[in-house]
Amino acid sequence: DTEVTQTPKHLVMGMTNKKSLKCEQHMGHRAMYWYKQKAKKPPELMFVYSYEKLSINESVPSRFSPECPNSSLLNLHLHALQPEDSALYLCASSPRDSSFMNTGELFFGEGSRLTVL
Amino acid sequence: DAKTTQPTSMDCAEGRAANLPCNHSTISGNEYVYWYRQIHSQGPQYIIHGLKNNETNEMASLIITEDRKSSTLILPHATLRDTAVYYCIAGGKLIFGQGTELSVKP
Repeated sequence: DTEVTQTPKHLVMGMTNKKSLKCEQHMGHRAMYWYKQKAKKPPELMFVYSYEKLSINESVPSRFSPECPNSSLLNLHLHALQPEDSALYLCASSPRDSSFMNTGELFFGEGSRLTVL
Repeated sequence: DAKTTQPTSMDCAEGRAANLPCNHSTISGNEYVYWYRQIHSQGPQYIIHGLKNNETNEMASLIITEDRKSSTLILPHATLRDTAVYYCIAGGKLIFGQGTELSVKP
């Protein structure tokens, strides 16, 4: 199984809602990532988890709250978002984290497309 | 991670080799070079990575200059399905640059 599965594929939420994005992998990878991608822009790194601990937070606003309940699951909790947070949210995993110079191949999911009204 | 510079867009004729350049002049000695591509509305797909030596796999070849300040991704026989944005990344933090939009034309 070489897949990263993200749910939901599409999410529409209001600015006062609380929702979550979910990501799952069963490749035994110990590093998991959240990226945000706006239209016609490259993916922007948000968070990196290594061995279920948050290792990198790229100065992301607190309205985005990551969680890694176990080595296979990664969540992104969303609260009080703004319309400008509408984007494609990509999850990825890799066999090694960024503390290694060679992180190996990053496996990406298909993304969750978020619209904030 | 080192900053990378790539041309914004490139065209290639179907069946010909596509050569995509990347400049990473501030790369440090132990940082790897990675290439990914993203077909519209899909998640990025890993292509290849390397440190110093040239690398080849079933998808592409990676040529890294001796001073490691630049590299070239080669798709030997481009097909229409290779139309995508190609990203060159230098360093383990996996920060994406602006990428090159490759259009393969019949």
